[in-house]
Amino acid sequence: DIQMTQSPSSLSAYVGDRVIITCRASQGIRNDLTWYQQKPGKAPNRLIYAASSLQSGVPSRFSGSGSGTDFTLTISSLQPEDFATYFCQQHNSYPWTFGQGTKVEIK
Amino acid sequence: QITLKESGPTLVRPTQTLTLTCTFSGFSLRSDGVAVGWIRQSPRKAPEWLAIFYWDEDKSYRASLRSRLTMTKDTSKSQVVLSMTNMDPVDTATYYCAHATRRRNCRGGRCYSFDYWGQGILVTVSS
Repeated sequence: DIQMTQSPSSLSAYVGDRVIITCRASQGIRNDLTWYQQKPGKAPNRLIYAASSLQSGVPSRFSGSGSGTDFTLTISSLQPEDFATYFCQQHNSYPWTFGQGTKVEIK
Repeated sequence: QITLKESGPTLVRPTQTLTLTCTFSGFSLRSDGVAVGWIRQSPRKAPEWLAIFYWDEDKSYRASLRSRLTMTKDTSKSQVVLSMTNMDPVDTATYYCAHATRRRNCRGGRCYSFDYWGQGILVTVSS
């Protein structure tokens, strides 16, 4: 199975800060990566697909980059509603696997 | 507007079979480039992909659970049904179904990504 390792596992930042979350795959996955945001008690919500394509309706402060094994999710200016857990997921090969998540807290 | 909703029992006994139904609207599972998948999430853990059912009738299951999982679809009712046999307390989780779309100029399962999710159903396995 492809292991997806996210870092950090949690972070605390101020409103307006730039936040970067990284996701590393244990083997190359091209750009077959999706980023999700999940709030407590809710289903995941897709933010980014194909590593860097912004989901329709998602604010432009979210962006994704990377290819192969190393990927990043960037929130350019953190907003209070961005308090959530973020997951990466590879769908390059079965079983599709998720990172362990990054919990973002607002200072 | 695409929506999905999971239904089924919220409590099952160990060794029983869990049967969950995903009822969807706003799309057809016969449309090229569409799929419906199942994902579960144990409390405070990362999601775990279980299975996916493609528009062309192709399916894929998580290998470690393959002997326990079965997916069927009822096109007339816009439903996908997931069965999991021999339930154990470690299978306690919220189970989600989700719609997946194939991105442009791409072929194969790798090109699909979950863009709409159901609200999830918490299934507890306990005697």
